[in-house]
Amino acid sequence: AQSVAQPEDQVNVAEGNPLTVKCTYSVSGNPYLFWYVQYPNRGLQFLLKYITGDNLVKGSYGFEAEFNKSQTSFHLKKPSALVSDSALYFCAVRASYNNNDMRFGAGTRLTVKP
Amino acid sequence: AAGVIQSPRHLIKEKRETATLKCYPIPRHDTVYWYQQGPGQDPQFLISFYEKMQSDKGSIPDRFSAQQFSDYHSELNMSSLELGDSALYFCASSLGQGLGEKLFFGSGTQLSVL
Repeated sequence: AQSVAQPEDQVNVAEGNPLTVKCTYSVSGNPYLFWYVQYPNRGLQFLLKYITGDNLVKGSYGFEAEFNKSQTSFHLKKPSALVSDSALYFCAVRASYNNNDMRFGAGTRLTVKP
Repeated sequence: AAGVIQSPRHLIKEKRETATLKCYPIPRHDTVYWYQQGPGQDPQFLISFYEKMQSDKGSIPDRFSAQQFSDYHSELNMSSLELGDSALYFCASSLGQGLGEKLFFGSGTQLSVL
């Protein structure tokens, strides 16, 4: 079955610095990759997705992610972090053979300090 | 813009009781997903429906059942509740089942089983 791994439970960055939240995936066939963000007591909000095409995907709130097939990674990035970016970030993957089972990673808590 | 509506927001039940969670998808969305998120855990896929038919099944216990009605809203029925069922239950909706479709999540129902 498809799966994603988020190796870091916590990422701390200073406001204005670039941030990276890591994600690697495992899937047979072509991956459909997503990033979602979760604020306290809220549902997950879609940030961006990779289906096909350019490896660099741009999403909401200035976030972007780079798909790297050789490293099976889909790291989330932002050039300049904001305090308001502090939240829980989930990477997710779908596979063509398991249509509706979107598998989420364990989540990475991002804290941006002023 | 209309979002996914879940009710109730909070629910407290005792062991062996039953609970019904409701989900109202975004208008015109025909696909509904249910996820369970335990404390500090990633969301786990339970079940999904497309056009009122069950389309995929994940780690949903036999004690749980769900359905999608003619107006596309969905209900998750949980019986013989156990302490371990305490979790945040998310509903999500999408337009179609395409692998690249992003999911729109509700704010969740926090179920506490005492």
